[in-house]
Amino acid sequence: QVQLVQSGAEVKKPGASVKVSCKASGYTFTSYGINWVRQAPGQGLEWMGWISTYNGNTNYAQKFQGRVTMTTDTSTSTAYMELRSLRSDDTAVYYCARDRGDSGSYYVGHWGQGTLVTVSS
Amino acid sequence: QSVLTQPPSASGTPGQRVTISCSGTSSNIGSNYVYWYQQLPGTAPELLIYRNNQRPSGVPDRFSGSKSGTSASLAISGLRSEDEADYYCAAWDDSLSGWVFGGGTKLTVL
Repeated sequence: QVQLVQSGAEVKKPGASVKVSCKASGYTFTSYGINWVRQAPGQGLEWMGWISTYNGNTNYAQKFQGRVTMTTDTSTSTAYMELRSLRSDDTAVYYCARDRGDSGSYYVGHWGQGTLVTVSS
Repeated sequence: QSVLTQPPSASGTPGQRVTISCSGTSSNIGSNYVYWYQQLPGTAPELLIYRNNQRPSGVPDRFSGSKSGTSASLAISGLRSEDEADYYCAAWDDSLSGWVFGGGTKLTVL
C-alpha cells in the first residue's frame, strides 16, 4: 500500500530555512508526482507546488516562488521541500501528497502524515 | 481568503442528509474536475470524492458529489457520528496553474 512518511517536527527562528522530507514506499516512486500542501493552525489547505519525480520538473505556486525549492532523491524514494526566509506566518503543518490518477489526469491523492513547522523567536 | 468558497460550518443529526456547497469560477470549477477531502480531527486529509462524483475504494456510498457550472456540492446521507470532520473542496485553476482549495466546512453531528 502507498505510504508517505514525513520527517519530524521542526522549530525554527525567523529568517531561517527548513527542509522537510517525505519518504515514499509501496509503489514505483518515479511514476507519480509529489505535491506539497500546508495548513496553518486552525486554517484551511494551501497548495505550495508540485514536483515531477520522473524528471524533476517543478510548478510552484506564485506565492512561494523564490522562497521554496522542491527536490527528489530517486535512489531513496524521498521528496524534499525547503522553505527559506521563514516568517511567523509560515508556522503550519506541511503535507506531502502523491498524485493519483491516470491518462494525463492527475490529482492530489495520497497524503503523508504531516510535519509541524513552528517559526518563533 | 480561499479561491473556492465553502460555508464554514454545517450540522445534522444522525441519519439525516446534509450537503456542503463549494463555489468557484470559470477558471477552476467551471472547467475542471472537483475533488473533496475529509480531514478527521488531528489527522491528514484523505481523498473522499474525485473527478466530481467518483468514490475511491473504501469510501461508503453515503458520500456523493456533484457539479453544475461553477459550483459543486458534497452530500452525506445517513449521517453518522464518525462523519464529524472538516471537508475541503479542491479544483485545478487554469489561471493560477495550480490547485486551489475551499476554506473548509466543519461538519458537526448533533
